[in-house]
Amino acid sequence: DIQMTQSPSSLSASVGDRVTITCQASQDINNYLNWYQQKPGKAPKLLIYDASNLETGVPSRFSGSRSGTDFTFTISSLQPEDIATYYCQQYDNLPLTFGGGTKVEIK
Amino acid sequence: QVTLKESGPALVKPTQTLTLTCTFSGFSLSTTGMRVSWIRQPPGKALEWLARIDWDDDKVYSPSLKPRLTISKDTSKNQVVLTMTNMDPVDTATYYCARTTIAAADDYWGQGTLVTVSS
Repeated sequence: DIQMTQSPSSLSASVGDRVTITCQASQDINNYLNWYQQKPGKAPKLLIYDASNLETGVPSRFSGSRSGTDFTFTISSLQPEDIATYYCQQYDNLPLTFGGGTKVEIK
Repeated sequence: QVTLKESGPALVKPTQTLTLTCTFSGFSLSTTGMRVSWIRQPPGKALEWLARIDWDDDKVYSPSLKPRLTISKDTSKNQVVLTMTNMDPVDTATYYCARTTIAAADDYWGQGTLVTVSS
């Protein structure tokens, strides 16, 4: 199975801060990576697909990028409504695998 | 609009078989490119992908769970059914179904259903 190492596992930042989350794949997965946001008690929501494509209706402060097997998810200016846990997911190989999640809190 | 909803028992006993139904609307699984996946999440833990069924009835499973899983669809009812045999307490989780794009992105999710395995 492809392992997705996501870091940090949690972070605390102030409103307006730039927030960065990384996922490292255990092997090359091309651009086959999605990012999801999950608020407490809710289902995940797709934010980014194919590493860097913004899902329709998702605010432009969210972005994704890739460098080799390292993937970065960025919130350019953290908003109170962004409090959630974020997950990466690779779909290059079965089984599809998720990262361990990053819990984002407001400082 | 696209909606999905999971249904099934909230409590199952160890060794029993779990049957979950995903009832959806706003798309058809007979349309080329449409897929439905099942994902679960143990309390306080990360997401785990389980299985997927495609418009052409192609089915894929998590290799570690494949012996225990069966996914099927009823296109006329807009339903996808997942069965998991030999349930164990470690299978306690919220089970989600999701519409999956041809690019394997889960763009619409159900609300999830919590299944507890306990005697």
